[in-house]
Amino acid sequence: QAVLTQEPSLTVSPGGTVTLTCASSTGPVTDGHYPYWLQQKPGQAPRTLIFDTQAKHSWTPARFSGSLLGGKPALTLSGAQPEDEADYYCLLSFSGPRVFGGGTKLTVL
Amino acid sequence: ELKLLESGGGLVQPGGSLRLSCAASGFILGNNGMSWARQAPGKGLEWVADMYGSGGIVYADFAKGRFTVSRDNSKNTLYLQMNSLRVEDTAVYYCTGHGGNSGWGQGTLVTVSS
Repeated sequence: QAVLTQEPSLTVSPGGTVTLTCASSTGPVTDGHYPYWLQQKPGQAPRTLIFDTQAKHSWTPARFSGSLLGGKPALTLSGAQPEDEADYYCLLSFSGPRVFGGGTKLTVL
Repeated sequence: ELKLLESGGGLVQPGGSLRLSCAASGFILGNNGMSWARQAPGKGLEWVADMYGSGGIVYADFAKGRFTVSRDNSKNTLYLQMNSLRVEDTAVYYCTGHGGNSGWGQGTLVTVSS
């Protein structure tokens, strides 16, 4: 089973830009892994911000964007807001089974 | 508006069974892929199983042989039957859709303890 590695923690200044990544132990990730990015705030259920690498939901703030960078899914936050402080998880599909990353704790400070 | 509502969690002894439900509204569950995921207390998310619109099902290794996913299209509801429960199955269980229907429910807590 694949292991997905995310940055355990990152800090961004209010108004700043930060990129979170998700490395797969199986090698480069492609659109065929259908990358998702989820946000989870303390005491709340997760919510999907990005699906299929870069697609957004109606509720996804415009400051979040998804991409592939160097063979890794990436979530970029441009213009961080205090309410963006949360845990972020990636999710990939491996031709059937799916795997979550370990999560990144993002601090806005 | 897409909504998912899980129910059926509770306290169960090791070796026991529970059936979780996920009632969907705002989209036709049977036409879409759906997932179950879980989160143990203080831990990260863990994928449990997928059911595709075609009816195909894929399970995580820990779920094979113990957990069964099904759906009732007439009720627009997804189920997770969990048998032979272990202490390590203690978690909040969530259902979520795929792609453009990837909203999440609020989860239902399953506690396996004697």
